Amino acid sequence: EDQVTQSPEALRLQEGESSSLNCSYTVSGLRGLFWYRQDPGKGPEFLFTLYSAGEEKEKERLKATLTKKESFLHITAPKPEDSATYLCAVQGAAGNKLTFGGGTRVLVKP
Amino acid sequence: DGGITQSPKYLFRKEGQNVTLSCEQNLNHDAMYWYRQDPGQGLRLIYYSQIVNDFQKGDIAEGYSVSREKKESFPLTVTSAQKNPTAFYLCASSMRWGTSDEQYFGPGTRLTVT
Repeated sequence: EDQVTQSPEALRLQEGESSSLNCSYTVSGLRGLFWYRQDPGKGPEFLFTLYSAGEEKEKERLKATLTKKESFLHITAPKPEDSATYLCAVQGAAGNKLTFGGGTRVLVKP
Repeated sequence: DGGITQSPKYLFRKEGQNVTLSCEQNLNHDAMYWYRQDPGQGLRLIYYSQIVNDFQKGDIAEGYSVSREKKESFPLTVTSAQKNPTAFYLCASSMRWGTSDEQYFGPGTRLTVT
């Protein structure tokens, strides 16, 4: 059974204080690891897909990396508008099903 | 603008009543999904549809039913058999089944049953 664990559960940052979120996973035959951003009361917004260990993707202040056991979402010099819950999900070999982690709530204070 | 719409945004029902949540997409995606999100928990898959006129149970299908009569529409019915229906429900779609295409989500429907 695929499993995803995200840590920490919550993160409070000062504006400009860089940090990293962790997504540890076990999956049989990784087809893709997905990062989403979710604002309160809204649907998740797609950020990145990573397919193989060593791959990195960037978007503005966000950078996602992938190893064989975990993925990191690095937030560089965050701004208050980066406050959100960040969700990680994996897709294994069996079809399109995504298994989600519990998310990391990020609060960036000015 | 292409996207996924869910209605209504908020829904209140009395215990024992069935309720149907709407999900429409104009992205021309083959695959559609329903998830449930509870506070502090990850999304859990209720049902999915690979293509029109087909659907499969996900991890927590008990007490729910779906239909996929049109490519654009994938309504979810929460029946009175669902023991704890109060939750945030999210509909998603992806271009094709059997690929690693990303899933795109709608804005969600918050259901409260009292």
